[in-house]
This record gives sequence, C-alpha cells and structure tokens, in this order.
Amino acid sequence: TQLLEQSPQFLSIQEGENLTVYCNSSSVFSSLQWYRQEPGEGPVLLVTVVTGGEVKKLKRLTFQFGDARKDSSLHITAAQPGDTGLYLCAGVPYYGQNFVFGPGTRLSVLP
Amino acid sequence: NAGVTQTPKFRILKIGQSMTLQCTQDMNHNYMYWYRQDPGMGLKLIYYSVGAGITDKGEVPNGYNVSRSTTEDFPLRLELAAPSQTSVYFCASRTSGQQYGYTFGSGTRLTVV
Repeated sequence: TQLLEQSPQFLSIQEGENLTVYCNSSSVFSSLQWYRQEPGEGPVLLVTVVTGGEVKKLKRLTFQFGDARKDSSLHITAAQPGDTGLYLCAGVPYYGQNFVFGPGTRLSVLP
Repeated sequence: NAGVTQTPKFRILKIGQSMTLQCTQDMNHNYMYWYRQDPGMGLKLIYYSVGAGITDKGEVPNGYNVSRSTTEDFPLRLELAAPSQTSVYFCASRTSGQQYGYTFGSGTRLTVV
C-alpha cells in the first residue's frame, strides 16, 4: 500500500496540449515536493509547497497544495517534448521525519 | 560543482556475492539517504544518516548496511546479494529543513543473477 498515490500512471500527449497530474493521500503532510526524473538520471527537484492551498508557478508548470494538505496537483500548459519524464511527488507525513515518494506519473510528450 | 557522485554506474553480481556502492557529496549536507527504485514502486528508503557517525534504518533495510564516518561519504554495503536486490539505487543528500529538496546522484543499476 502506497502512502502517496499518483494518477495517471502513464500519460502520452501531443505537443501543445495541457495536462494535470495528481498526487493523493489519506494522510496529512507538512510539506510536499515535486520532482522530475529523466531516463538514467536521478530525480531533480521542481518545487516545494508547505502551506495548505498554496499555488506556485514555474514557467508553464503550476503546482497546488490541497487545502487539507492531503493532495497536490501539477498542471502543465502547452506541453513540450522537453517535459517528457517521470514526475514524482514526495511528502513528509506529520507523524514522520522522512520524505515518502509516490510511484510517479510517466509523461510522454510527442512532437 | 559535482553535487552527489555515485559509483559504479552499472554492476552485475552473482547470488551470494557482496559489494559496496559508493556515494560522495561536496555540498556539506548533513542529511544523506539511500533509496532503491523499482518499476512502478517509486523510491523506497533503505538507510539514512543525519550526520557523521549517525545512521538509521529506513523502510527496506534488510540485506544492506551503511556507515557514515565523514560528512561527505555514505557507502551502502550489500552482503550476500539476492535477486530481490536487483534494482536502481540512488544516493541523495539535503540540508536541514523540509523546504529544502534532495540532491540525487545519477544512480547505480544493479543486477543480481
């Protein structure tokens, strides 16, 4: 059983389309992070959100932390082939001290 | 700026053999971690360290061991390799504070046959 669930598991879209991926849990998290991982490399941090309801933007990427701090979403506008990769969410449960990772959403953006 | 360096990049082990995965960071981070990544399962924490001389078990520590004699180095030891240890292993480090993310190495792909 995963503490953090991510959906969809796989997503294949055309360049220029918009998309949203989700990270959900039944537990409350004190903070949540999103990473992107490319083949053969380690994950790279995209953003950290710490406040319920918080929205952060990074160019074409918009991240939102749920009001109840149990879920998060990542929205990409006008996706590009360079956005292709595995998107991982990670959070620290209120009862814990280490980050736990979701299984990831594998995104493929076709030119 | 090297960040987190892992060696080797690839390794094939026979069942029962042992090996050490090396990890070095040059950012003076106190926190260091070892994760394994299996398809569709995300990253699972094996061991972590909050500073030199201090280590603790993560979610999946069986079959592994670690040491942290310096701030920079955090090697992972596999004793008596088993096929279940076939995976991609990542070392990571970070500074204290949940707002700071991990810096990951580029991984070691291990196959046990």
